[in-house]
Amino acid sequence: DAKTTQPTSMDCAEGRAANLPCNHSTISGNEYVYWYRQIHSQGPQYIIHGLKNNETNEMASLIITEDRKSSTLILPHATLRDTAVYYCIVRVARLGGTASKLTFGTGTRLQVTL
Amino acid sequence: GAVVSQHPSRVICKSGTSVKIECRSLDFQATTMFWYRQFPKKSLMLMATSNEGSKATYEQGVEKDKFLINHASLTLSTLTVTSAHPEDSSFYICSARAPSANEAFFGQGTRLTVV
Repeated sequence: DAKTTQPTSMDCAEGRAANLPCNHSTISGNEYVYWYRQIHSQGPQYIIHGLKNNETNEMASLIITEDRKSSTLILPHATLRDTAVYYCIVRVARLGGTASKLTFGTGTRLQVTL
Repeated sequence: GAVVSQHPSRVICKSGTSVKIECRSLDFQATTMFWYRQFPKKSLMLMATSNEGSKATYEQGVEKDKFLINHASLTLSTLTVTSAHPEDSSFYICSARAPSANEAFFGQGTRLTVV
């Protein structure tokens, strides 16, 4: 699986958009970009994933550059409850088996402040 | 999304005893589950892949005789920490994926403290 690079930490004011970047310059054509977050002392929570098109769901938007070497997770209106570590993971979306495992990097610690 | 439940959420045990942690997929069948360990301020580290009806696959450096994994049904995997020591104190997390889904879902984690 391709390696990802994320900033160690970021701050965001409550109510503003939080834009979390991720670099995955070695991504392969069949690898997806996944985002998870982990609130303190909880298990990771799935946020969104995409291949090459931008994606949006009720939690966030995912913007993937045309060359797919980087992406940005956007939380449109951050709240205090969005304070968490956000993980960007790249992997092939195969069905079942060990290919389903997720390899976590260090992630970005997002602190949402008043 | 799919629900994965872990039990217990917290456990304190004496050194030398064994502790069993359960991971259940509540609304889907999971042929494969994963066990992670997380130390304070560190990222999740994959310990093993649990396959229903067969032996688990352990990551390099993880002692299979110490961390026993059983995946007896499509909705339950267990991790048993045998002869626990204080250095086994950690946050243990399981995950599972429904066969038709591309995303994995995680349990809430189990905080193990060995005293």
